[in-house]
Amino acid sequence: AQSVTQLDSQVPVFEEAPVELRCNYSSSVSVYLFWYVQYPNQGLQLLLKYLSGSTLVKGINGFEAEFNKSQTSFHLRKPSVHISDTAEYFCAVTPGSGNTPLVFGKGTRLSVIA
Amino acid sequence: DAGVIQSPRHEVTEMGQEVTLRCKPISGHNSLFWYRQTMMRGLELLIYFNNNVPIDDSGMPEDRFSAKMPNASFSTLKIQPSEPRDSAVYFCASRIQGISHEQYFGPGTRLTVT
Repeated sequence: AQSVTQLDSQVPVFEEAPVELRCNYSSSVSVYLFWYVQYPNQGLQLLLKYLSGSTLVKGINGFEAEFNKSQTSFHLRKPSVHISDTAEYFCAVTPGSGNTPLVFGKGTRLSVIA
Repeated sequence: DAGVIQSPRHEVTEMGQEVTLRCKPISGHNSLFWYRQTMMRGLELLIYFNNNVPIDDSGMPEDRFSAKMPNASFSTLKIQPSEPRDSAVYFCASRIQGISHEQYFGPGTRLTVT
């Protein structure tokens, strides 16, 4: 079975500063990895995904993530955050061979401070 | 495409009442998922369907919860009788099994049981 650990439940950061949201996963098979964003009172939206190929994945709103197989990590980064990036961010994993549901981490609340 | 549609968006009911949440997946998607989100437990998978057939309902909390998918364009999640601890945001998500691994989420139904 797969599992996801998001090491930080809350991350405060000043506007225009860089940010990294950490995600580690556990799996005995190859996996696909995802980051979703949830704005207040909304559903989850896909930010980016890693299926194969380049380990650096670029997503919407200037976010990117890097897949590191040896460290079983998929950290999310943005070089300069905006107030509008304030939201909950979820990392998710699914085995690459099957069609099972995504397994989500508990989320990281990013608060951007003016 | 209209995306995943959920109704109602908000539901307030009294303990002991029956509650029915509804979901219309994206047209052409053949997998459907029901999740529950609370502060304490995060995002929990309740049940999922492939081609209208329930595959795994191990996440359903107890017998008070039931879900159906009578056709490819409609699903319901029913709670009978409802209890205050059922208060949460319930999300429906869909995807194309075997082709796309990302799940597309609806806006959610915020349920409050008093």
